[in-house]
Formats: sequence, C-alpha cells, structure tokens
Amino acid sequence: EIVLTQSPTTTAASPGEKVTITCLASSSVSNMYWYQQKSGASPKLLIYSTSSLASGVPDRFSGSGSGTSYSLTINTMEAEDAATYYCQQWSSNPLTFGSGTKLEIK
Amino acid sequence: QVNLLQSGAALVKPGASVKLSCKASGYTFTDYYIHWVKQSHGKSLEWIGYINPNSGYTNYNEKFKSKATLTVDKSTNTAYMELSRLTSEDSATYYCTRRDFWGPGTMVTVSS
Repeated sequence: EIVLTQSPTTTAASPGEKVTITCLASSSVSNMYWYQQKSGASPKLLIYSTSSLASGVPDRFSGSGSGTSYSLTINTMEAEDAATYYCQQWSSNPLTFGSGTKLEIK
Repeated sequence: QVNLLQSGAALVKPGASVKLSCKASGYTFTDYYIHWVKQSHGKSLEWIGYINPNSGYTNYNEKFKSKATLTVDKSTNTAYMELSRLTSEDSATYYCTRRDFWGPGTMVTVSS
C-alpha cells in the first residue's frame, strides 16, 4: 500500500498569503489528485492528474510534482479557502488518501 | 449536471447489515466507475473499493473485503454498498464518488 504523508498537518494563512501543502508518497506514483473538504460537506475535486485544474476551481489553485513528491499551492489565500485538503493516489491498489491538512484563515 | 444522490442516515444495531444506495444522474452511468469511501468522524478518508457499472467488476481494498459488497442496478442507474456484521468501528459517513464528483454522504451509526 502506498502511504501518503501530508505536511503541514495544520496551518494558518492571512488573506493574500501564498500557501503550499506537500504530499510525500512512500513509493513513486504517476500522478496525484487533490481535494478540498469544508466542514459538513463532501470532498470537492480541485486538481487531477497532478496539475490539471478541475472545472470551476479558481486559478489561484495549482498543483505540481512527480515521483514521490507533490504539492498543492494556493497563490493568494482567501477566507473561503479555509478547509481540509487531501491528496489521493491511484497508481496502485489500494487507492489511498493523505491524512489531510487543515488550513485556517488568520 | 452530474448528481449522485445517496440514501439517508441509518441507525443500525451491532451485528446487523445495512445497504446504502447511490443514484446517479446527469451522465451515462456505465461510463464511470463508482467508488465508495469511508470517513470516520474527524478522520481522513479510506477507500473501500470500486465497481464498474458496465461489467459489474469489483475491486476491493483488502481491509474491507469481508465487510463491504458492491453491486449496481443498471436499470435504475443506482449503485449499492452493503455493509455486514456491523460494529461501532463501522460508524462513519460513507461517500459514493466518481473521483471527480461526490455524493453528499450517508451517515451510518451503529448502536444498540
């Protein structure tokens, strides 16, 4: 099973600040998905295939990476971005998720 | 527009089974796998498995092989997940998802 380790576990950012969340895989994966989950809601796809922006997602979100290291960047933090973010891989079974990064607004 | 409508919250007794549903609309049901994901309160997401609605082929996370059974009814565009021999560890919210779209989740509470 590929274990995905996210960092930081929790962070806070001021409006306008740049935020980067990292996802490290225990073995090489071919691509990464990123999801945003707000309290009481289901996850929402932000990024697929490592760097492709899902439909309707603001372009302040971006993804990058390869091999065992991937990242999600929010270029300019907005209050509505406060949420928990998860990375996900399905390069090999079982499909696995990271443990999540909780992002708060300062 | 794509929609995955999940069945309502369930309160079930330990040792019992429960069958959750996920009705798809807004797209061709047989074109996308349906995955099921577990989220215990305040915790991360766990993949249970997926079903190919076209062929009925299933692929399970080893951890859930004896717990979950995935099926589909192509005539109603509905996917189902049955959870058996329920314990308190199975209390969680269960999502169906295409990976790009997610249902709202079904909360299952196991309690006597």
